[in-house]
This record gives sequence, structure tokens and C-alpha cells, in this order.
Amino acid sequence: GENVEQHPSTLSVQEGDSAVIKCTYSDSASNYFPWYKQELGKGPQLIIDIRSNVGEKKDQRIAVTLNKTAKHFSLHITETQPEDSAVYFCAADSSSNTGKLIFGQGTTLQVKP
Amino acid sequence: DAGVTQSPTHLIKTRGQQVTLRCSPKSGHDTVSWYQQALGQGPQFIFQYYEEEERQRGNFPDRFSGHQFPNYSSELNVNALLLGDSALYLCASSLGPGNNQPQHFGDGTRLSIL
Repeated sequence: GENVEQHPSTLSVQEGDSAVIKCTYSDSASNYFPWYKQELGKGPQLIIDIRSNVGEKKDQRIAVTLNKTAKHFSLHITETQPEDSAVYFCAADSSSNTGKLIFGQGTTLQVKP
Repeated sequence: DAGVTQSPTHLIKTRGQQVTLRCSPKSGHDTVSWYQQALGQGPQFIFQYYEEEERQRGNFPDRFSGHQFPNYSSELNVNALLLGDSALYLCASSLGPGNNQPQHFGDGTRLSIL
């Protein structure tokens, strides 16, 4: 069935260091891969997304890479800041083309000042 | 530019009761999806509404139902509440129902079942 695995579940880095979160997906027909940041008491906020016709996308300190052959994608945050501390979720669209997103289990990122 | 708004923010119910949650999509969006997020987990897809019709349902029982109005706002109804229904219910809106459409989430309704 449809599944997205996300690792690690927790990640602690020093301010200024880089953070990498990795996800694998099961449905080879998935074409859209968004990343969300969720702060305490808030809903998930879309921070970056990538489509299957692109291998890498960057937006300031955030970048996402996609390897369709291996069915995995990663989020890279450079020069981390304390305000980057949050729970991050990866997701993949369902092959049913209905906009259904399958989410990973989340990564709690802590950036220490 | 108003984002996705949900009401109420918190709700406490008892087992067997019924609940209605409401969502107004982001300005310009016409599609609403509902997700359930248990504590410490990623959101799980319940269903999506477009053109006032349910397009696809996730792995949720018929106790979960919904509606979309002509102004694109939506309601999620849950009947015969169980303790396991305690969760954060999230609404996401998008422009169009298909894949590749970015979904923007509201802050959710925290539902607690006693």
C-alpha cells in the first residue's frame, strides 16, 4: 500500500550547522513531494515542494532533492537558526490523482543556540 | 489575503455524541481536504471535496462525513464519537483537486473525547 517512511524521528543540531531529513516512498507513480513545518499549536506550513520532473530545488536556506529511481527525497536546511526548531513532515501524493497526500511520521528538529 | 480558517479551535465531547467542524478555504481556492492528526503522528487523509462532491475517501468509517457549500467552505461531521477519535482535525485547501496542487493547512480543531 501507500507508505512514506521518514528518518530520523528526532534531530538535534547546533545553531549554524546543517540539518538533513530523509524520506522514502512506496508508490512509484507519486509525482509531487511537499515538505511541511509544524510549530506547536499550529497547522502544517508548506515550506517547499518538488515535482518529479525536477531533481533539486532550492529556496534560500532550504533545499530538497529527489531520486525517483531510488524513491527517496531529502530536505536540507543550511545555517540553522533556533526558529527552525519545529516538527517537519514529508509527504507524497497518491497515484489516484485526487490530491491525497501520504505523510511521513515527522522529524522533531531542535536547533541549540 | 486570508488563509485557511477553522472553527472551533478546541472542542470537548463525550462518547456517542456527534460533532461538526468547519473550514473556510484560502481566498481563491476551491478544493478542501480533511486530515486527522493523532498526537505524535503525521496527518492522515480523510476525504476531499471539490464541486460540492466527495472525490475520494481515506481509510475512515462512514461515521465520518462531510459537505462542501457553494462558497467552497466545508464541514466535517463525525457521528457516534469514540475515544479514538480524539485528535487534531486539519483542513487543507488548494486550487483544483488533482495532484501537484499545493495544499495549505489551517491550524486545526483539537477534538477531545471523554
